Amino acid sequence: KNEVEQSPQNLTAQEGEFITINCSYSVGISALHWLQQHPGGGIVSLFMLSSGKKKHGRLIATINIQEKHSSLHITASHPRDSAVYICAVRPSIQGAQKLVFGQGTRLTINP
Amino acid sequence: EAQVTQNPRYLITVTGKKLTVTCSQNMNHEYMSWYRQDPGLGLRQIYYSMNVEVTDKGDVPEGYKVSRKEKRNFPLILESPSPNQTSLYFCASSLRGRGFIESYGYTFGSGTRLTVV
Repeated sequence: KNEVEQSPQNLTAQEGEFITINCSYSVGISALHWLQQHPGGGIVSLFMLSSGKKKHGRLIATINIQEKHSSLHITASHPRDSAVYICAVRPSIQGAQKLVFGQGTRLTINP
Repeated sequence: EAQVTQNPRYLITVTGKKLTVTCSQNMNHEYMSWYRQDPGLGLRQIYYSMNVEVTDKGDVPEGYKVSRKEKRNFPLILESPSPNQTSLYFCASSLRGRGFIESYGYTFGSGTRLTVV
């Protein structure tokens, strides 16, 4: 079992729909990151969370440390949101200097 | 513009021919790291560096070397590439907080698609 699990693996929706991508992890963490990978391959950091909720434009990220779960929401989705969204955690185990990545969620927004 | 620059973007090479993928950042970040991305396996860490002259292995270091002689540069060296190193490679940097506090996000390079034949 992977330390970081994302669901769904693939998601297709119509423009304007509210999107939710989920991330569950099994280790203690010091932070959780949401990344966006464009169709061309580049990776952009969207959010870094250690508690609560963050909002940037139409994107909202939440984390529940007790339940070891995070969600990424996209409101009023648009075809340009089509990308792979990756959840990554930094384990809090002493000495851990790495990110552990989920497999990614491929999101397609149709016009 | 704050960025991480990787070169080359694409590279096709033959087995055994030494190559270097360069990574440079202009943000004075302390932490730099290399990842490879493979279908079905996701992103995995190869090596990382906490600061100049401080490097350590990640999860999949076999067949790779790195160096950190200057803060801005963190090249990835494949001394004798093999076909199983065909992958998409990313360099990333971060202004790390003290100790284990994760205070900042990561900036990724554009990626290097390497094919070893």
